[in-house]
Amino acid sequence: DAKTTQPNSMESNEEEPVHLPCNHSTISGTDYIHWYRQLPSQGPEYVIHGLTSNVNNRMASLAIAEDRKSSTLILHRATLRDAAVYYCILRHSYNTNAGKSTFGDGTTLTVKP
Amino acid sequence: ETGVTQSPTHLIKTRGQQVTLRCSSQSGHNTVSWYQQALGQGPQFIFQYYREEENGRGNFPPRFSGLQFPNYSSELNVNALELDDSALYLCASSFPGSEQFFGPGTRLTVL
Repeated sequence: DAKTTQPNSMESNEEEPVHLPCNHSTISGTDYIHWYRQLPSQGPEYVIHGLTSNVNNRMASLAIAEDRKSSTLILHRATLRDAAVYYCILRHSYNTNAGKSTFGDGTTLTVKP
Repeated sequence: ETGVTQSPTHLIKTRGQQVTLRCSSQSGHNTVSWYQQALGQGPQFIFQYYREEENGRGNFPPRFSGLQFPNYSSELNVNALELDDSALYLCASSFPGSEQFFGPGTRLTVL
């Protein structure tokens, strides 16, 4: 299974941008790159996903390298509520025979006021 | 729109017992995935059900089994519980390959 590699932890100041990197050098052509975050005592929450092009939504932006072997989740202005564990995972395509999502240990983001 | 719900919230069992965990998927979602999350680690994929059939499985032994019902709700069954089965069990619903919506999880403690 394709795996992802993320830094264990990162720190940011409140209201500053945060760039969370993820390496996925063994990604296949049909893998989507998904990002989730998990607050303490909660299930993971979907943040954003993409295939090849950069993506934006109300929560964040996703920048995908041209060779797709890495990506970066961008939080434009970190708030204290963004403190969480962020997971980058590869989600197989819409092929119904491929349903796995491989989570790593994620990046713990600390936001300082 | 109702989100993903799981029951029970917490459960305590002893070694060798069997347990059934339940998950109601978000309205319209036909795919349910189950994950095991040990303390301090990321979720580990157990298996996925699509339209009542298992269509993907992680590295878990056969004593982990599941069901998906016609209304797309799902059960996770674990037989012959071991101490290492103590974890948070997460259920996520989705359409195939799309973003997953997770429930709050069931905290299982095996004594």
